Parts: sequence; C-alpha cells; structure tokens
Amino acid sequence: RKEVEQDPGPFNVPEGATVAFNCTYSNSASQSFFWYRQDCRKEPKLLMSVYSSGNEDGRFTAQLNRASQYISLLIRDSKLSDSATYLCVVTLDGDKIIFGKGTRLHILP
Amino acid sequence: NAGVTQTPKFRVLKTGQSMTLLCAQDMNHEYMYWYRQDPGMGLRLIHYSVGEGTTAKGEVPDGYNVSRLKKQNFLLGLESAAPSQTSVYFCASRQIYEQYFGPGTRLTVT
Repeated sequence: RKEVEQDPGPFNVPEGATVAFNCTYSNSASQSFFWYRQDCRKEPKLLMSVYSSGNEDGRFTAQLNRASQYISLLIRDSKLSDSATYLCVVTLDGDKIIFGKGTRLHILP
Repeated sequence: NAGVTQTPKFRVLKTGQSMTLLCAQDMNHEYMYWYRQDPGMGLRLIHYSVGEGTTAKGEVPDGYNVSRLKKQNFLLGLESAAPSQTSVYFCASRQIYEQYFGPGTRLTVT
C-alpha cells in the first residue's frame, strides 16, 4: 500500500458546484496533515492545514478521520480559479514529509 | 522578503555535462529540500537538510549531490547529467510545518 494515495482525477466540475476528494494514508503514526494547491507549471503552495476537529477557510473545508486514516477537502461554490492540482501532504516524526501525487480539478464554465 | 528563489529557471544540458542548481531562502529556515517532479510521479524527494552543514538522502538521491555550507543556501549538483534527469526541480524550505517552495528549475538533458 502506498504511503499517501489520491485519486488522480481529473474531476470535471461545473462552476458553482460542490466537489470533494479524499486522500488516504497508510501510517497510523502520521502526525500532521495538509492540503497544498499546485497550478500548472507553478510551485505547490499551502492551501490549508488539517486538524482533527476539522477546519474551514471560506469555501474550503478540510477534515481528518484518524480511525479510517484519510483526510478530505471540500470546495463549495467552486470558481474557475479553483482549477488546479490538489496535493495531500502527511508528515511523520516531524522530519519525514510525504506528498501524494495529486488530484486534478477542472472547473467548467 | 523574496522567500525561496531558484537559479537558473531553465537549462538545457547535454548528456555527461555537469551543473549546479542554487536554492536560496531569506526566512532563516532550518530545513531545506530538493524535489523533482515528473508527469504522473508527483514530487519525489532527492536530498534534504535539517540545518547548516547537514545533508541527508531522500527517496531518489542517485546521480545528485548536495551541499549546505550556509544556512540560506542549498545547492544541488549533477555531476554527469543523464536524460533520465530531465525534470522540474523544486526547492523548499521549512521552519515548523509549512513548506515554502521556490518557482522551480526546468532542466532538459539531451
């Protein structure tokens, strides 16, 4: 089983819709969880951290389910500018950082 | 505050040539990383450093060397470039949790 797995997509979603995708991780000792966003031919940038209690930032909501070992990202009222690749990131022991391969999202006008 | 910068932005090498990629950060971060990103492969860690004067191997270190002589700089060297090293190279730095990435270097080896 891969350490961090994501559905590669692409998810093709009409503008204004809600979209959600998950990321599963294999190591139960994983400590920290993040979603990064990467635009085409650009560097990854932190979108949000993921906490056990869940967290929300505007139209974006992230959840962590430790029992089932996955994190999720929900985007409401999607915008054309949300089109990007979303990377799931998990850290172990403070130093080891593992990136998923990303989920591609296309918002359709 | 420039964050993380990388030079050069683009480079074309012939097989067997050598080059050094420079990463610089002005945030006084302890941790620095070199990744390569290839289509369908995601980000793969080449080498990393947990502080000035330290380096460690990542997932795909073969064919690369690194040095961290100054805290703000992390150099990635290719001694004898191969076509398999054609990729986009990203540098990142970190203090606690968030990684800050540079804009990337697009390297083509012919």
